[in-house]
Amino acid sequence: DAMVIQNPRYQVTQFGKPVTLSCSQTLNHNVMYWYQQKSSQAPKLLFHYYDKDFNNEADTPDNFQSRRPNTSFCFLDIRSPGLGDAAMYLCATSRENAGGAYQPQHFGDGTRLSIL
Amino acid sequence: AQKVTQAQTEISVVEKEDVTLDCVYETRDTTYYLFWYKQPPSGELVFLIRRNSFDEQNEISGRYSWNFQKSTSSFNFTITASQVVDSAVYFCALSKGDSNYQLIWGAGTKLIIKP
Repeated sequence: DAMVIQNPRYQVTQFGKPVTLSCSQTLNHNVMYWYQQKSSQAPKLLFHYYDKDFNNEADTPDNFQSRRPNTSFCFLDIRSPGLGDAAMYLCATSRENAGGAYQPQHFGDGTRLSIL
Repeated sequence: AQKVTQAQTEISVVEKEDVTLDCVYETRDTTYYLFWYKQPPSGELVFLIRRNSFDEQNEISGRYSWNFQKSTSSFNFTITASQVVDSAVYFCALSKGDSNYQLIWGAGTKLIIKP
């Protein structure tokens, strides 16, 4: 089945130790998104790629970076995690065209990040 | 400014009851899209429906139905004959309108279906 896969499902890291979360997709969608979701809150968009074009949200901390080496893979790098970065991180994909029609986003199961 | 309001923080009903989740939105765009997503306790967000602003037809999918009313800027979601498996957080979302594919999310409604 075509899907969005996030690894690992749970990640524990130490305060200040860099961590990378990964996302892969078999949907061949051109847009990939990274969201942060804290308990009892709505998802918060960190950034997204439209094809190879990176789009950062204005309020995304510099501590968060992303890479998309090819269509199928996207990575979220947290350079120096703080306690406030503990959250669920969700990857999503959509197939968009220049018409701006807002196609549905398809989400992975998420990676729950804990900071010690 | 665009905004999505889900005024019901939590709803609890007994299985087999019907339940309606409210979603009220604000936008100045003439073309926009509305979505509902379900997030069960396992955490993944599941797409339920997408509706564009030019299509005010109500939609039914099994036990789920959606009532879109532009006059009241509402896009409400009804579950008929609720089941325990419907227990989840439900989010309503609105297209941000700058063609950047971002969504404005409501705060979510936690639905608890008791056996």
